[in-house]
Amino acid sequence: QKEVEQDPGPLSVPEGAIVSLNCTYSNSAFQYFMWYRQYSRKGPELLMYTYSSGNKEDGRFTAQVDKSSKYISLFIRDSQPSDSATYLCAMSQSGGSNYKLTFGKGTLLTVNP
Amino acid sequence: DGGITQSPKYLFRKEGQNVTLSCEQNLNHDAMYWYRQDPGQGLRLIYYSQIVNDFQKGDIAEGYSVSREKKESFPLTVTSAQKNPTAFYLCASSRGSHEQFFGPGTRLTVL
Repeated sequence: QKEVEQDPGPLSVPEGAIVSLNCTYSNSAFQYFMWYRQYSRKGPELLMYTYSSGNKEDGRFTAQVDKSSKYISLFIRDSQPSDSATYLCAMSQSGGSNYKLTFGKGTLLTVNP
Repeated sequence: DGGITQSPKYLFRKEGQNVTLSCEQNLNHDAMYWYRQDPGQGLRLIYYSQIVNDFQKGDIAEGYSVSREKKESFPLTVTSAQKNPTAFYLCASSRGSHEQFFGPGTRLTVL
């Protein structure tokens, strides 16, 4: 079983839809969870950063972490064509000074006008 | 204007050549990282450095080398020992938290 699983999609939605992106993981030591957005041929951009379980909201984006289920989600409300990109989840363990991130393979999202 | 720069944007290498990818940051971050991204593979860690003059191997370090002589700079050399170097290379940095910030990437192609 891979440490982080992410459905690669592709996921295609109409403009204005609510988008749900998800990752599951197997390592219970993961404490820090991130979502990155990557446009084609560009570097990933950090969207959301959360610690342990709970929700975090930033504008149209909401990140959820359920550590009991080892499941994290990113919700995008009122999706826009500019949200079309690959979304990567990433996570890391607490303790020590090694901030190694483990990434999912990414979900390709297309928002159609 | 703070950020991470990578150069060149595109790089072509002949078989048997070593090439060096540049990564510079002016964010005053202590830690820097190199990742490789292949289609359908996600990001894989090549090397990372938490302080100047110190670095550690990541998951796929074979065929690569790095140096960290300055806080701002973390160049990556892709050696001829790397059997499949064609990929998108990403440099990242962090200030000692788990949040990593990425540069724009260098696309390396072997001819």
